[in-house]
Amino acid sequence: EAGVAQSPRYKIIEKRQSVAFWCNPISGHATLYWYQQILGQGPKLLIQFQNNGVVDDSQLPKDRFSAERLKGVDSTLKIQPAKLEDSAVYLCASSPNFSGNTIYFGEGSWLTVV
Amino acid sequence: AQSVTQLDSQVPVFEEAPVELRCNYSSSVSVYLFWYVQYPNQGLQLLLKYLSGSTLVKGINGFEAEFNKSQTSFHLRKPSVHISDTAEYFCAVSLVGINKFYFGSGTKLNVKP
Repeated sequence: EAGVAQSPRYKIIEKRQSVAFWCNPISGHATLYWYQQILGQGPKLLIQFQNNGVVDDSQLPKDRFSAERLKGVDSTLKIQPAKLEDSAVYLCASSPNFSGNTIYFGEGSWLTVV
Repeated sequence: AQSVTQLDSQVPVFEEAPVELRCNYSSSVSVYLFWYVQYPNQGLQLLLKYLSGSTLVKGINGFEAEFNKSQTSFHLRKPSVHISDTAEYFCAVSLVGINKFYFGSGTKLNVKP
């Protein structure tokens, strides 16, 4: 079974530029998550989709971050304009849509804003 | 509100020694409990999880964890660690009936020869 795919793995951009990350979840997983992991901290949920609807985006900085999940499969997370404090690993994860399931992570997209 | 507290940010230990990584949680509803491991430059991988039944859960790589409801804890243990266990470990809770996960801040396990 293929895992969660993310790209690009690494990105360096200047502040005020834009960046986009792509995620393809495990086939059949209805729930998709984007987490932000700042160095030395645990993952923080940015947005959670169930199929192509948003379940929770309460911690997404909506003035600069946006995410979509068209057709309920893959997803894109965009940052525009980027700030220095956005330097982090952006983890995509997916899970089946039932309570008690396991959440499966991709390898992450590492963003450095200079 | 739910929260997960990992009491130690770093745990140094010598190879072949036992180790315990501590995790406490607070929640007003029932939870499922998880431990994940993150190796350098990789995503998080599931070590083990507690859903119900026996409070002692065995996972991969010789790790185990014990759910203690009265103390709201889910500590991770291994009787003898290897150099390859050097990684960061995250405790997480998921609310029963709700597909949401909350993570602790992580514990870096550094196994020394």
